[in-house]
Amino acid sequence: EAGVAQSPRYKIIEKRQSVAFWCNPISGHATLYWYQQILGQGPKLLIQFQNNGVVDDSQLPKDRFSAERLKGVDSTLKIQPAKLEDSAVYLCASSPTGTGEAFFGQGTRLTVV
Amino acid sequence: GDSVTQMEGPVTLSEEAFLTINCTYTATGYPSLFWYVQYPGEGLQLLLKATKADDKGSNKGFEATYRKETTSFHLEKGSVQVSDSAVYFCALWASNAGNMLTFGGGTRLMVKP
Repeated sequence: EAGVAQSPRYKIIEKRQSVAFWCNPISGHATLYWYQQILGQGPKLLIQFQNNGVVDDSQLPKDRFSAERLKGVDSTLKIQPAKLEDSAVYLCASSPTGTGEAFFGQGTRLTVV
Repeated sequence: GDSVTQMEGPVTLSEEAFLTINCTYTATGYPSLFWYVQYPGEGLQLLLKATKADDKGSNKGFEATYRKETTSFHLEKGSVQVSDSAVYFCALWASNAGNMLTFGGGTRLMVKP
């Protein structure tokens, strides 16, 4: 079974630039999560999708972050414009409905300079 | 809202020592509880889980028991190895809270030969 795929693995941008991350979940998993993990901290949920609908985005900084999950499969997370404090690892995870058992991708390490 | 609190690290042990990493939670209803592990340079992966009170999750010599009366899910291992060095995250999933998966801050374990 293929795992959760994320790209790119690493990204370095200057502040005020834009960046996009891509995630391909495990086939058949209806739930998709995007987390932000700042160095030395636990993952913080940014947004959660159920199929192509948003379940929770209460911690997503909507003035600069956006996410979509077209057709209930792949998802993209965008930051525009980036700030220095956005430097973190962005994790995508997917889960079968009703289990809470999440499968994580390798993450994208973003450095904003 | 739901939350998870873990003991702060790092926890440094000698090989074959006994390990305990404390985890307590706050949740309405009856969440499922998880331990995830993040090895150096890798993504998070599920270590073990428990879905109801008094359940014991186990995997790779690690164990954790879901204690509703103390709202705890402490991780234990009788004899740690150098290869167990990683960051361990406690998490809860609540189906009555929009299926959100909430993580603790993580505990780094370092095992010395």
